[in-house]
Amino acid sequence: AQKITQTQPGMFVQEKEAVTLDCTYDTSDQSYGLFWYKQPSSGEMIFLIYQGSYDEQNATEGRYSLNFQKARKSANLVISASQLGDSAMYFCAMREGGNQFYFGTGTSLTVIP
Amino acid sequence: EPEVTQTPSHQVTQMGQEVILRCVPISNHLYFYWYRQILGQKVEFLVSFYNNEISEKSEIFDDQFSVERPDGSNFTLKIRSTKLEDSAMYFCASHRGYTQYFGPGTRLTVL
Repeated sequence: AQKITQTQPGMFVQEKEAVTLDCTYDTSDQSYGLFWYKQPSSGEMIFLIYQGSYDEQNATEGRYSLNFQKARKSANLVISASQLGDSAMYFCAMREGGNQFYFGTGTSLTVIP
Repeated sequence: EPEVTQTPSHQVTQMGQEVILRCVPISNHLYFYWYRQILGQKVEFLVSFYNNEISEKSEIFDDQFSVERPDGSNFTLKIRSTKLEDSAMYFCASHRGYTQYFGPGTRLTVL
């Protein structure tokens, strides 16, 4: 079974609108961490947001928020007020166990002016 | 702002040759990682390194691969005998706490 599943290979959003990128995960560990990264066409990986498995509040970082539903094992990324510069690949990742990371296949987001 | 650096940005090598990819993690970080990303595919974890030893490694990280922290700043990934399928972007990352920072990557092309 895939550790991280991102079911949306591509998404489009109108500028200034909000968009939700889906991520589900699979683990039997009690302690784990969930991450979202942005990869623009230039190729670098940019950390966006982190959610720990014991965190009761959803993580927020500026226009990014993580909708953490532990029972459903989902960690969706919400981007509010989309900007043209948000067009990129977005990867969900999980740190499990000691220090092993698993990444999803990514979602390509295109912001339309 | 401190950042992870990687050299070279692009390496071209012949199949069967050894390559060493270099990384300088952020100085007060304790955990170091190598990942690879084959063109157009997802990022794959290779290895994590803590306290001067490997803490986790994936199935990809076989005997062809090794990592070292030869001094207080550098963190290297060695591929002993490169294969065509090793062609990928290799990212180094480091973290302290839970924010993991990636370097810009080294694009390895094996001919």
